[in-house]
Amino acid sequence: AAGVIQSPRHLIKEKRETATLKCYPIPRHDTVYWYQQGPGQDPQFLISFYEKMQSDKGSIPDRFSAQQFSDYHSELNMSSLELGDSALYFCASSPPGQSNEKLFFGSGTQLSVL
Amino acid sequence: DAKTTQPTSMDCAEGRAANLPCNHSTISGNEYVYWYRQIHSQGPQYIIHGLKNNETNEMASLIITEDRKSSTLILPHATLRDTAVYYCIVRVPFSGGYNKLIFGAGTRLAVHP
Repeated sequence: AAGVIQSPRHLIKEKRETATLKCYPIPRHDTVYWYQQGPGQDPQFLISFYEKMQSDKGSIPDRFSAQQFSDYHSELNMSSLELGDSALYFCASSPPGQSNEKLFFGSGTQLSVL
Repeated sequence: DAKTTQPTSMDCAEGRAANLPCNHSTISGNEYVYWYRQIHSQGPQYIIHGLKNNETNEMASLIITEDRKSSTLILPHATLRDTAVYYCIVRVPFSGGYNKLIFGAGTRLAVHP
């Protein structure tokens, strides 16, 4: 079965650079969620999109922005990168309809800021 | 969303049942109990969820007390590949993009030979 695809798997950037993370949800899933997980931390919710509109917002820095495109894939754009942005970034998707449906997570993008 | 309390860590012998408890004494009537797990550096994985009845699927069983203030996730025959952090999450499910999960401090389960 198709899963959530994230790219790239690994990304190395310098301080003050920009980064773009991509997420391709499971086909026919209409909602995408982004999470950040620092070393030794639990996943923290950043932002979500439903039907290409931002639906919910968590602890996402102002330097980050995201959007969901017409094909439902999503991109997380990160600017002025800081050392503290080094983390695993997960994307998850969920299907339409049932409100108690589970979330399906991708394998994540490991971002290292040097 | 209701707050949950889980043991920081647990051990289990391979082949034995792993029973992971979760306290959610402030749970409200329309909140579900969800269990996810995260194997090292992988994306969290859904295990099971329930409202008030016990639930079973191919991965695990979920036992919810009658007063709904606590629950237990049971992995009937733990294997080394079940070593992971297990998260108990209580929330009201919404539709339309409001279904985020809030991860608290889970239980680190170590399955040993």
